[in-house]
Amino acid sequence: QITLKESGPTLVKPTQTLTLTCTFSGFSLRTSGVGVGWIRQPPGKALEWLALIYWDDDERYSPSLKSRLTITKDTSKNQVVLTMTDMDPVDTATYYCALRTDSYHGFDYWGQGALVTVCS
Amino acid sequence: DIVMTQSPDSLAVSLGERATINCKSSQSVLYSPNNKNYLSWYQQRPGQPPKLLIHWASTRESGVPDRFSGSGSGTDFTLTISSLQAEDVAVYYCQQYYSSPLTFGGGTKVEIK
Repeated sequence: QITLKESGPTLVKPTQTLTLTCTFSGFSLRTSGVGVGWIRQPPGKALEWLALIYWDDDERYSPSLKSRLTITKDTSKNQVVLTMTDMDPVDTATYYCALRTDSYHGFDYWGQGALVTVCS
Repeated sequence: DIVMTQSPDSLAVSLGERATINCKSSQSVLYSPNNKNYLSWYQQRPGQPPKLLIHWASTRESGVPDRFSGSGSGTDFTLTISSLQAEDVAVYYCQQYYSSPLTFGGGTKVEIK
């Protein structure tokens, strides 16, 4: 059974750095073709893809947020970490991590999401 | 970036009736070497994460009811719910995975009339 779970702070202040951790089970990030990504959704708004890291350490980022994002993986801990610098109230959103099992699919499995509020 | 545009923004359909959602990409997502469209559809019920319904524009995921179908190629795609059920109330998103950055449509909210 594949599961993903996001964890991190629920409240951050403007200008702070957000660190979110995705802890997963049921698959390995050593498997060829596999990738784990982050997607966010502001309240009442659409989904926005942020970043993706693949089994071979290939990293992809949203161009509009690339300067603020870093995605890393720890295959021994089954975790993927997203950091986002210089947080702003407009970054308030539910942040999801999700699995791509291969390049032929979108995101097959999703975590439940973590709501992050940016407020002073 | 490939821009995904969905229409309508929302629609209300009677139970048992057909719902049709459109998705247009700003450039083709058809990968010529395998003749596959790199487009997925997701369903997001209230308070839930998105759920993958369809990949390759028309291939249903395991367990997805056959009242859901996807069609289209190149830049124009459609998700059809042939007979709307109460549990289909949700927001539906298309997403291209042809190229990075991966991009989603703005979503279509489906409600019961």
